[in-house]
Amino acid sequence: EAAVTQSPRNKVAVTGGKVTLSCNQTNNHNNMYWYRQDTGHGLRLIHYSYGAGSTEKGDIPDGYKASRPSQENFSLILELATPSQTSVYFCASGGGTDYAEQFFGPGTRLTVL
Amino acid sequence: GDSVTQKEGLVTLTEGLPVMLNCTYQTIYSNAFLFWYVHYLNESPRLLLKSSTDNKRTEHQGFHATLHKSSSSFHLQKSSAQLSDSALYYCALRSNYNVLYFGSGTKLTVEP
Repeated sequence: EAAVTQSPRNKVAVTGGKVTLSCNQTNNHNNMYWYRQDTGHGLRLIHYSYGAGSTEKGDIPDGYKASRPSQENFSLILELATPSQTSVYFCASGGGTDYAEQFFGPGTRLTVL
Repeated sequence: GDSVTQKEGLVTLTEGLPVMLNCTYQTIYSNAFLFWYVHYLNESPRLLLKSSTDNKRTEHQGFHATLHKSSSSFHLQKSSAQLSDSALYYCALRSNYNVLYFGSGTKLTVEP
């Protein structure tokens, strides 16, 4: 079965601090994605990547950066965290078939105080 | 641009009654791929159903859906709800790029 892991699983940060969320996949998928999940908004795409060294902006990229140093790893970086970034963040990997369905990690609950 | 609409944010049903969660979509591309993901509490969202074939019913784990391109719909159905079906359900669209557009989700609660 596809495997996507995220760390940390829970994080409390202070306003203005830097936060890095990490994601690792062992599916050998080219594509990786970062979403945030908020009640009433569903899953919204922040950044995604088509392969090592590439990052693309999703629907809500403001305040976030992404880094894809390898096929397996994809990080989401909040340089100056704000309380509005309190959310649950999901990483996913996908690709390799016509459908290119995505496989999700367990999520990271981030609270910015 | 591409978008997905799930009108019901909350659906509460009694066990044994049929389930129908609505999903409509918008895309300018003819090659639409539609998905239903299910998200149980404290688990990862996972794929429940997928389809790209017009008017063909697809089934998995007791749920079924039919993609109707004429009405841009992909409603999720089940004949008899179970308590274990309580979860958050997302409809999603992939059209021309390897990006999924998710609806806002429907929280299904099944009561005894």
